[in-house]
Amino acid sequence: DAKTTQPPSMDCAEGRAANLPCNHSTISGNEYVYWYRQIHSQGPQYIIHGLKNNETNEMASLIITEDRKSSTLILPHATLRDTAVYYCIVRVVHLNTGNQFYFGTGTSLTVIP
Amino acid sequence: DAGVTQSPTHLIKTRGQHVTLRCSPISGHKSVSWYQQVLGQGPQFIFQYYEKEERGRGNFPDRFSARQFPNYSSELNVNALLLGDSALYLCASSTARGLPQETQYFGPGTRLLVL
Repeated sequence: DAKTTQPPSMDCAEGRAANLPCNHSTISGNEYVYWYRQIHSQGPQYIIHGLKNNETNEMASLIITEDRKSSTLILPHATLRDTAVYYCIVRVVHLNTGNQFYFGTGTSLTVIP
Repeated sequence: DAGVTQSPTHLIKTRGQHVTLRCSPISGHKSVSWYQQVLGQGPQFIFQYYEKEERGRGNFPDRFSARQFPNYSSELNVNALLLGDSALYLCASSTARGLPQETQYFGPGTRLLVL
């Protein structure tokens, strides 16, 4: 069962920042937030992850609120190739059943020329 | 470096048949997970294997089984196929189980169509 809530779709103008929100109000203290994206039913592509501090890499930035109940993925300069479904995932660790990624339905981001 | 590879890329089966899907993890990765993605939905966790042992199982019937080989590659088997098993089957590999940070890297998937 997904532990995250995301808007089903968003549009963003090419060259502008895309800000994708995610709610994870039931997140536990040791659970990480991961972001993946999926283009044209290819395999999901890893973007970024974080625990409680803001993170940045060559693809995106991740802003996690202080109470960790929500986060925002930021694509600083969206391009047409960023059109994809973006999944916000809370990684759940079960001592006896391993690590599981619970995917929701994601946000379909369309970058408009 | 090669990423996660899966075979075949596409497969068509009929109801009641059996199917075997294969996955090779990234070199050095010892954990493999399988996911099913039905059209329009996010991937659903099926299994996780680490060091050739099952470490996690999602809410799937016993028709679904898997195994991991000494070289860490893995097979997913589905018996008595149903129309509802039509989906993209994804394999993901990671370095280890249980670490606070464990990024999974996904393969391109096998698209299964059951007629």
